[in-house]
Amino acid sequence: NAGVTQTPKFRVLKTGQSMTLLCAQDMNHEYMYWYRQDPGMGLRLIHYSVGEGTTAKGEVPDGYNVSRLKKQNFLLGLESAAPSQTSVYFCASSIRDGSGNQPQHFGDGTRLSIL
Amino acid sequence: AQSVTQPDIHITVSEGASLELRCNYSYGATPYLFWYVQSPGQGLQLLLKYFSGDTLVQGIKGFEAEFKRSQSSFNLRKPSVHWSDAAEYFCAVGTYSSASKIIFGSGTRLSIRP
Repeated sequence: NAGVTQTPKFRVLKTGQSMTLLCAQDMNHEYMYWYRQDPGMGLRLIHYSVGEGTTAKGEVPDGYNVSRLKKQNFLLGLESAAPSQTSVYFCASSIRDGSGNQPQHFGDGTRLSIL
Repeated sequence: AQSVTQPDIHITVSEGASLELRCNYSYGATPYLFWYVQSPGQGLQLLLKYFSGDTLVQGIKGFEAEFKRSQSSFNLRKPSVHWSDAAEYFCAVGTYSSASKIIFGSGTRLSIRP
């Protein structure tokens, strides 16, 4: 049982390049999330999804797009990478229940540098 | 709006000493509260959670946390730390949203002195 798997683990891009980060979970979770982690700022929510085919904006969505074509996968795209997007990106997933506040399960992160 | 404050950016304690990491939250109702730990190069792992009931919550790895409504606090404690506890610790509050969104504090980095 792998849990939440992120690929790639590391990537270096040049300004203006595009790329897609992949998140896959094998726990049959309905909810999935993308965060970025920057020093001294904790984790900030970029986009999230409450189910297959649905996405929504989080706290810092600008410059990113997402897609959830399959329940187990959540893709994060950078259309035109900028140095300000240098960060560590984390994917997480969570079950759906009546409380709406179950813990999230995290992947190991993708370290992305934009030159 | 909900918020979480972790006032200590970095704490160093000696191995075997007790530990308390502070967390204060801002929320109008009874919050859902979490503590996560992040080891270097890893993702976040849930240590414990508080939803309701007993205000003293036991977690994994010997950690516990106490919810104090009067102080809007949810401090994390461990009676005797081990070198393997060196990591970054995040307090978080649930948002009662239908998507289980969580707001994280900025984290406290814990170093262990041999």
